[in-house]
Formats: sequence, structure tokens, C-alpha cells
Amino acid sequence: DAKTTQPPSMDCAEGRAANLPCNHSTISGNEYVYWYRQIHSQGPQYIIHGLKNNETNEMASLIITEDRKSSTLILPHATLRDTAVYYCIVRGYNTNAGKSTFGDGTTLTVKP
Amino acid sequence: SAVISQKPSRDICQRGTSLTIQCQVDSQVTMMFWYRQQPGQSLTLIATANQGSEATYESGFVIDKFPISRPNLTFSTLTVSNMSPEDSSIYLCSVDRTNYGYTFGSGTRLTVV
Repeated sequence: DAKTTQPPSMDCAEGRAANLPCNHSTISGNEYVYWYRQIHSQGPQYIIHGLKNNETNEMASLIITEDRKSSTLILPHATLRDTAVYYCIVRGYNTNAGKSTFGDGTTLTVKP
Repeated sequence: SAVISQKPSRDICQRGTSLTIQCQVDSQVTMMFWYRQQPGQSLTLIATANQGSEATYESGFVIDKFPISRPNLTFSTLTVSNMSPEDSSIYLCSVDRTNYGYTFGSGTRLTVV
């Protein structure tokens, strides 16, 4: 599995957009980008995933660069409850794709 | 996404003893994964458990210390054996679902005294 690089921490003002970057320069053609978040030592929670097109769901948007070497998770209107550690991983899509490596993630702090 | 019931949610154990953590999934899955998260750190994969075969352990983790059972496609256990304070961590199980990638249990917070 490709490895990812994320900034260790970021701050965001409540109500503003939070843009969390991730570098995955060694991603292979059949690997997807997945984002998770972990709030205060609960189990990580799925947010969104994508292959090469931009994706949006009720939680967030995912922007993937054309060369697929990096991506950005966007929380359009951050709230205090979005304070969490955000993890970006890359992996195959199939359920038998196997294990993935979690990096250190980005600790997002949303401030009032 | 899959619903995973993990228990116990937390425990405080004496050094030298063992603790077995259980994970029950609400539907059949091929692979189950066990992670450890030490205080202030990211998730580290301990092993991958497939039904009907021996678990595959990652570097630094051995079966004698972390025996795993996978008796069927909806259940798995992880035992932390002969515990020391260094084993104090959160232990998480997860399963792999195509549309959502990994779904995680709520975790077991283990403190060894």
C-alpha cells in the first residue's frame, strides 16, 4: 500500500471551511483515497473516498489532483464537533484488498 | 456500513494476566483486522484474521503474545497475554466493506497496572 503524508496539526475557525491536505505520491492506478476521522479515541469513522474524480457527500468534499498524487478533504462549514484526528489512507477498492497503513494523521482543532 | 460490537469497552488489569477482547459483526466478512493504538499515537495493525486459517501477524507482533481466534465469519477474539504496563493501549477491531473501506469497533481501552 502507498503511504501518505499529512500535516500534524491544523486550526480552523468555526463556520469556516477546513481544508486538510494529503500527499500520496506513490499511489498506484487502482488505489483509492479514503479519509477517516477519530474523535477522542473512539473508533475511526469513515468520511469519504474517491479514485480520481472529486467526490461530495453529506459530510465533506474530496478533491483529488489530476495526477492523483495529492488530495484535499474539505469540511465546508466546520463546527466544534469536527475537532478530531483526520487520517488519509490509500488502498484498493476490493474487500479483499487487505491491510492498509494509517499514518499519523492531522489533528484538526476547530476554534470558536 | 457494518455494525461491530466490541467488548469490553475498557478494563483495568493486573500485570501478568491476560485479557480477551471480542468483536461481533452483524454480517459475514472475510477479513477482520486488529489494531493497537498507544496513547497519543496512530493505529498500528497487529494482525489480519481470516476465518479458517491462522492469523497473519505484522512485524513486531507474535502469536504467543496476541493469540487470535476467528471461529466464524462474524466473530473474532484477540487476547493480550502476560500483560505489562506497556500493553496499555486502545485495541480496535475492524472489517473491510467496499463502499466504506474500514468500519471500526468502538475500541477497548486497556490499562495494565
